[in-house]
Amino acid sequence: SQQGEEDPQALSIQEGENATMNCSYKTSINNLQWYRQNSGRGLVHLILIRSNEREKHSGRLRVTLDTSKKSSSLLITASRAADTASYFCAISNSGTYKYIFGTGTRLKVLA
Amino acid sequence: DTAVSQTPKYLVTQMGNDKSIKCEQNLGHDTMYWYKQDSKKFLKIMFSYNNKELIINETVPNRFSPKSPDKAHLNLHINSLELGDSAVYFCASSQAGDLETQYFGPGTRLLVL
Repeated sequence: SQQGEEDPQALSIQEGENATMNCSYKTSINNLQWYRQNSGRGLVHLILIRSNEREKHSGRLRVTLDTSKKSSSLLITASRAADTASYFCAISNSGTYKYIFGTGTRLKVLA
Repeated sequence: DTAVSQTPKYLVTQMGNDKSIKCEQNLGHDTMYWYKQDSKKFLKIMFSYNNKELIINETVPNRFSPKSPDKAHLNLHINSLELGDSAVYFCASSQAGDLETQYFGPGTRLLVL
């Protein structure tokens, strides 16, 4: 399966702590994206990292990509209660319009 | 203004019925998608259209038929609904190309009784 797999499946932390979630995949990719889904809502794009990039930042988000290990991590620093959501990675192969989503990490930030 | 909208938001229906879900995007994107999210939150692509042309058709029962009357609309018609069709269906759109972001609609929660 080309599906990405997030780890851990669920994560509970205190407000102010950092949250790290990982995504592993099996195929070659063109880019990898992270999305957030609040309960009962659609997915919202957070950040995209290309296969030739190793690290990207956006506000409190830091994404790394290791293509040799076929894995990516999403770090949320100084977490807030509003960060409570499910986080998904999505991978795409070159030349296709197809994005394969992972199984998601459910993050709960306790106030 | 909502970028990607879906109707209805909720759909409760009996087994065997036929139903449609509509999706519209006002972003001027070329590509639109339908995804199914099951109770375990696993999100799986079903179809994708680029400029009204079907480009992705995953292993989906032929009871599901997408229709794209124009670039801004991608509707999903489901015949002979089954219990296993209960899920949240998301429409999304993106500009053509790998490196573009997908914009998701709010989802349609389908419950088949």
